[in-house]
Amino acid sequence: DQQVKQNSPSLSVQEGRISILNCDYTNSMFDYFLWYKKYPAEGPTFLISISSIKDKNEDGRFTVFLNKSAKHLSLHIVPSQPGDSAVYFCAASVGPGNQFYFGTGTSLTVIP
Amino acid sequence: DAGVIQSPRHEVTEMGQEVTLRCKPISGHNSLFWYRQTMMRGLELLIYFNNNVPIDDSGMPEDRFSAKMPNASFSTLKIQPSEPRDSAVYFCASSPRGGRGPVGIQYFGAGTRLSVL
Repeated sequence: DQQVKQNSPSLSVQEGRISILNCDYTNSMFDYFLWYKKYPAEGPTFLISISSIKDKNEDGRFTVFLNKSAKHLSLHIVPSQPGDSAVYFCAASVGPGNQFYFGTGTSLTVIP
Repeated sequence: DAGVIQSPRHEVTEMGQEVTLRCKPISGHNSLFWYRQTMMRGLELLIYFNNNVPIDDSGMPEDRFSAKMPNASFSTLKIQPSEPRDSAVYFCASSPRGGRGPVGIQYFGAGTRLSVL
């Protein structure tokens, strides 16, 4: 059973606009969350993380929001750029050094 | 640093054959992970090692799959006999532990695309 779910397989956004990628989880023990980005023919690369003691973490154009009561996190990219076109995976773990549970990914296309 | 190195990048084999995937983790990393990526299930953890010791292999689909880590710089994932449903991209990742480096972040290799005909 998927403990981390990304219900939108794909998303298209115009360049310069905001991209919002969503992720839901079921395990209330998860306390560390990450987003990974994957280009074709490459491995996933770490993008941004957040621990459960925070509800927001920002890194440049990327912001991750965590809503623990809803068991929901989202990744905001603003402004979106064509180079952001990739598959984005969210992941969760119980503690930062433990097993990650990944979602199925959302393919983002930023249209120039 | 060269990053996590996986070989081969592509493997095409026939059903029933043995397949061996290889991984060299980042030097100094203590944890190593094997994942399988499919459309339906995304990135599934198959097995992971801490300090060369298998910690959790509950994700290994069945007895046809086995993984070893004979030393800190090398790991293999073997499928014997292979079946068409094993076709997927297999990723290896490594992570530092014990406070060295950014704990919790896994660094992935480029993957091995396996096709079993």
